[in-house]
Amino acid sequence: DTGVSQDPRHKITKRGQNVTFRCDPISEHNRLYWYRQTLGQGPEFLTYFQNEAQLEKSRLLSDRFSAERPKGSFSTLEIQRTEQGDSAMYLCASSTPPGTSGSNEQFFGPGTRLTVL
Amino acid sequence: AQSVTQLDSHVSVSEGTPVLLRCNYSSSYSPSLFWYVQHPNKGLQLLLKYTSAATLVKGINGFEAEFKKSETSFHLTKPSAHMSDAAEYFCVVSDLASGGYNKLIFGAGTRLAVHP
Repeated sequence: DTGVSQDPRHKITKRGQNVTFRCDPISEHNRLYWYRQTLGQGPEFLTYFQNEAQLEKSRLLSDRFSAERPKGSFSTLEIQRTEQGDSAMYLCASSTPPGTSGSNEQFFGPGTRLTVL
Repeated sequence: AQSVTQLDSHVSVSEGTPVLLRCNYSSSYSPSLFWYVQHPNKGLQLLLKYTSAATLVKGINGFEAEFKKSETSFHLTKPSAHMSDAAEYFCVVSDLASGGYNKLIFGAGTRLAVHP
């Protein structure tokens, strides 16, 4: 399967602990996005990478959240000192470089479901 | 700012009957619009997209949507529902951000139930 993959698929943690999620985009995609989806809502944009550069961060991304894409391939999303309000599905998506066919289409991974107790 | 409103949070149909999922959008310029489907425990899958070409867009699995600028609508339809269509459907508008990328803005979703 050459789609977007995310690991882990599920994470249960206690309040105050740190968690890290990983996303592996489709190999030729240089754009990578993180979204958060809470129960009963549509996904909300968190942050965007073009290659290794993080070009935009949503106001939803508090100081406890950090995302990296060190070599322009996989990305990690870390949440420090988790709170119960962080419980959500965290989705990763990727897309082709601008100007290429289908560059406005984002391909989504299966998500990581985080539960903070 | 771009936004989408999905007019129904839940839609229930019988197998073999037509499906209509309603979406209105708000955009200050000609938008790109999408419909995504989300099955339980699976990733979001693109059903179809409108990018200022033909106003009637055909997608996968027999779905189609019509872009109506005068009504600012992009409703999703299917002539005959199948049990496998039961899922959450999201209407999405693409906002061209200052960084030159497409930020997707999702509606709240419509849960489609299909009964035998």
